[in-house]
Amino acid sequence: GQQVMQIPQYQHVQEGEDFTTYCNSSTTLSNIQWYKQRPGGHPVFLIQLVKSGEVKKQKRLTFQFGEAKKNSSLHITATQTTDVGTYFCAGIMEYGNKLVFGAGTILRVKS
Amino acid sequence: DAGVIQSPRHEVTEMGQEVTLRCKPISGHNSLFWYRQTMMRGLELLIYFNNNVPIDDSGMPEDRFSAKMPNASFSTLKIQPSEPRDSAVYFCASSPATYEQYFGPGTRLTVT
Repeated sequence: GQQVMQIPQYQHVQEGEDFTTYCNSSTTLSNIQWYKQRPGGHPVFLIQLVKSGEVKKQKRLTFQFGEAKKNSSLHITATQTTDVGTYFCAGIMEYGNKLVFGAGTILRVKS
Repeated sequence: DAGVIQSPRHEVTEMGQEVTLRCKPISGHNSLFWYRQTMMRGLELLIYFNNNVPIDDSGMPEDRFSAKMPNASFSTLKIQPSEPRDSAVYFCASSPATYEQYFGPGTRLTVT
């Protein structure tokens, strides 16, 4: 079936270090979205990428959509304790209409 | 805007009982989604509606689960009879035509 794979499953970093999570799809995506879920909270929409090779920034967060529209990444520069949570990617398959979520990457930040 | 509203926030029930979860989407959003989240299975899409019409219910685990959306401002997810393996956090989300989803705070269901 349609799948969106996300790695790593878990990452523990020292405050101030960078963090990256990667998302890969077996099929071409029409768009990719990223969500953040704080512990005990609900997923919160961060951003949507639509164009091949697109790069978007939100303060210390950089989002990329691959040229082939099959992969994406989220990079956080100089992590802070407020960045802790699970980061999910979610994609809509080309010619599809359903948002498929990855399993998420759990980020823990040591202060 | 109040965001997506879900009730109850917590539900504890005994096996075999009927459970009804409720959701009020954001006004003006035309799509509504029900998800289930567990440690083992992650975030699973159960069903989604577009303009109040069920579009894809392939994620509904079995006949014990049913969902309705009688109007644009209300949806229910019902489990009858409930089983311990149904214990999870159930999220409702709504979406405008631009596809991003706005999640409610969730209902934490415990079936004993």
